[in-house]
Amino acid sequence: SQQGEEDPQALSIQEGENATMNCSYKTSINNLQWYRQNSGRGLVHLILIRSNEREKHSGRLRVTLDTSKKSSSLLITASRAADTASYFCATGAGAGSYQLTFGKGTKLSVIP
Amino acid sequence: GAGVSQSPSNKVTEKGKDVELRCDPISGHTALYWYRQSLGQGLEFLIYFQGNSAPDKSGLPSDRFSAERTGGSVSTLTIQRTQQEDSAVYLCASSPGHTKMRAGANVLTFGAGSRLTVL
Repeated sequence: SQQGEEDPQALSIQEGENATMNCSYKTSINNLQWYRQNSGRGLVHLILIRSNEREKHSGRLRVTLDTSKKSSSLLITASRAADTASYFCATGAGAGSYQLTFGKGTKLSVIP
Repeated sequence: GAGVSQSPSNKVTEKGKDVELRCDPISGHTALYWYRQSLGQGLEFLIYFQGNSAPDKSGLPSDRFSAERTGGSVSTLTIQRTQQEDSAVYLCASSPGHTKMRAGANVLTFGAGSRLTVL
């Protein structure tokens, strides 16, 4: 079963706007990661946030984590056409396992 | 190599045939993962190798699927008697796999995938 679920499933915005994607998960986590997948390619790691962190920044990316609500959000500011991709959150499967479980992703389209 | 290499990039086969998909991870990465991604879907975990430990095969969908990792490096995913529902992109990833790492902290580097089409 999938641990993380992203929403919305699809998001279309104009270039320059901000894009926000959300991820909800079911069980307690130590870390949560976000990945990007361009069409026809593998996934690329974007950012990792630990359970004791509430917010983390990397360039135009901002990730928040609310462990009480079991949710995370990824904000992309001042979006560009090149940000068009699918975005996935990933969490560990549990103690003693190094399996990473991915959600179904949010497909972001940035219109020039 | 500099990244995770997968071959073939595309494979078209007939139902009932066996296929082998290959993954060459980043040199020095002890952890290797296989995932399956059906069209427009998320990633489905298949199997995970960590060093010399027994692999985590909990995601393999049936006994037609198997994988091995020789010498702690290259891995081969084998699908026997392929079915149409096996059509998907098979993604391989590797990570440094530090044994004391907390769950969810292993950052994966993915290959470009092998697209399998079963006719």
